[in-house]
Amino acid sequence: QSALTQPASVSGSPGQSITISCTGTSSDIGGYNYVSWYQQHPGKAPKLMIYDVTNRPSGVSNRFSGSKSGNTASLTISGLQAEDEADYYCSSHTSSSGHVVFGGGTKLTVL
Amino acid sequence: QLQLQESGPGLVKPSETLSLTCTVSGDSISSSGSCWGWIRQPPGKGLEWIGSIYYSGSTYYNPSLKSRVTISVDTSKNQFSLKLSSVTAADTAVYYCARHRWAVRPDFDYWGQGTLVTVSS
Repeated sequence: QSALTQPASVSGSPGQSITISCTGTSSDIGGYNYVSWYQQHPGKAPKLMIYDVTNRPSGVSNRFSGSKSGNTASLTISGLQAEDEADYYCSSHTSSSGHVVFGGGTKLTVL
Repeated sequence: QLQLQESGPGLVKPSETLSLTCTVSGDSISSSGSCWGWIRQPPGKGLEWIGSIYYSGSTYYNPSLKSRVTISVDTSKNQFSLKLSSVTAADTAVYYCARHRWAVRPDFDYWGQGTLVTVSS
């Protein structure tokens, strides 16, 4: 069960927008609208930021948005803030036996 | 407010079985449709889904760990548990329990704080 592919790191300045990609296959991202994104600060548990590709849980800032095209999902953070600096993980439903697969994670640095 | 708390030994010897329990408070683990999972994170590395269980007892496991994993639920104690057999140093990780927002979908909306398990003699 291979992990989804994410860039190791991305960076941006306060106020800018950044996008993190998550690439899978037709057996996971491309086949289902069940993609989630998590934010994880050092030493903390992950926090759900996006589910079902585009939906935000209650309490999550609307600066966070998700999308999908083919086998690639994306997380966009607009109006970057210092507190957005964290690791971000994507996850998807997978049709291979098991159901859930995570990406390798992306470290976001706010310059 | 739903809360999850992992508990269990922080040190396990190689070849032995790792056993962790997740205690759920603030809601019944038997709520209709509820599904609960275990996720781990080796030091400095990414997240890995271990497996999940419905309140009814149906289980789903990561194929790469399936031969060594057992997840069970005890509704009377509002707990679910993880057993991982024949552990090696590669199983050293922070282990999280979490709730699926809906069914066995990849969205976990409530997480425990995590517990570090080290495999060492």
